Amino acid sequence: GAGVSQSPRYKVAKRGQDVALRCDPISGHVSLFWYQQALGQGPEFLTYFQNEAQLDKSGLPSDRFFAERPEGSVSTLKIQRTQQEDSAVYLCASSLIAGPRSYEQYFGPGTRLTVT
Amino acid sequence: GQQVMQIPQYQHVQEGEDFTTYCNSSTTLSNIQWYKQRPGGHPVFLIQLVKSGEVKKQKRLTFQFGEAKKNSSLHITATQTTDVGTYFCAGPDGANSKLTFGKGITLSVRP
Repeated sequence: GAGVSQSPRYKVAKRGQDVALRCDPISGHVSLFWYQQALGQGPEFLTYFQNEAQLDKSGLPSDRFFAERPEGSVSTLKIQRTQQEDSAVYLCASSLIAGPRSYEQYFGPGTRLTVT
Repeated sequence: GQQVMQIPQYQHVQEGEDFTTYCNSSTTLSNIQWYKQRPGGHPVFLIQLVKSGEVKKQKRLTFQFGEAKKNSSLHITATQTTDVGTYFCAGPDGANSKLTFGKGITLSVRP
């Protein structure tokens, strides 16, 4: 079956522009995560959705970052007034089950954002 | 907050050599996961360990969860060029399934 897809795969934005990154999780997966991965680092948690509910947004670095998943499937991560420090790969992951313990996560290919 | 540490970040081995890497958490973990990221790719789930002292094998890869559930190891027997990539360990951080990843160890294999 289809895996997690993300679009665009690459995005170049001028400083100050707004960007929107899309994630299509695996069909039926309840949990959806956004991570930010800088070069040479591990993925860092940004936010988590269980169906359409955003249950944790503690990792969002500033109020310029906003995420939504209105119908419990596709999710969009929006970054307003992009800054150079926002340059990174943004990874989306989904998981079939939600709950107090963690389950294996399926990652998308990521969107590489470069802010010039 | 919780920290997951992987040191060193890079290791180079000759093809055929064995390789072992370790992962340490600042807190006791309910479980630990390992992911592999090939160059230019995205993290791919390898395994999850749940029980204290648990050992799981996948072909040439052996994963172990420490008795205190604060550390884990990955051992690769007779490395091959297909083992090249970055290996991350990750532990759950609080509720809601979110994971804290280590910085990863990038393995290169000389043919």
